[in-house]
Amino acid sequence: EIVLTQSPATLSLSPGERATLSCRASQSVNSYLAWYQQKPGQAPRLLIYDVSSRATGIPARFSGSGSGTDFTLAISRLEPEDFAVYYCQQRSNWPLTFGGGTKVEIK
Amino acid sequence: EVQLVESGGGLVKPGGSLRLSCAASGFTFSSYTMNWVRQAPGKGLEWVSSISSSSNHIYYADSLKGRFTISRDNAKNSVYLQMSSLRAEDTAVYYCARNPPFIALRSYFDYWGQGTLVTVSS
Repeated sequence: EIVLTQSPATLSLSPGERATLSCRASQSVNSYLAWYQQKPGQAPRLLIYDVSSRATGIPARFSGSGSGTDFTLAISRLEPEDFAVYYCQQRSNWPLTFGGGTKVEIK
Repeated sequence: EVQLVESGGGLVKPGGSLRLSCAASGFTFSSYTMNWVRQAPGKGLEWVSSISSSSNHIYYADSLKGRFTISRDNAKNSVYLQMSSLRAEDTAVYYCARNPPFIALRSYFDYWGQGTLVTVSS
């Protein structure tokens, strides 16, 4: 099973600041990595797939990068609605696995 | 508009069974792989199971150890999760989720339902 480790667990930032979230895989997932956003009481929303492709309707301030085992989700300027929990997920191997999440909170 | 609506959750005793349903609309259901993902209270996301468009390919998380069965009825635009021998650790919100159109099987999830809560407790 591929283990995805996200860091930091919590990121405290102010609106307008840049957020950088990390996801590290226990083995290569090639380019098969996605990012989701989840707000309290809501289902997750797909943000980024295949490392760097934005899903439909996702603003350009969200970007993904990386390869192999190390990946990054960047939010260029945090908007109030961006404060949420973010998960990475790999589809390289069965079983599909998620990271433990990074909470982006208002400082 | 794509919609996924789960139902069937509730309170069940340890060792009991429950069948979850997910009704889909707004897309050609029979062309898409469907999935179940769960989230224990206050915890992260855990993939549970996937079923291909024609039910030819089915996958489960190893942790389920044969207790869960996924199925679908393309005529009813629905996917199901039969859960048996339920344990306290199965307590979670269970989400139905769809593959994107460009990925046939092992995938990400582009649309999610609102989830249905399963509570396993005596």
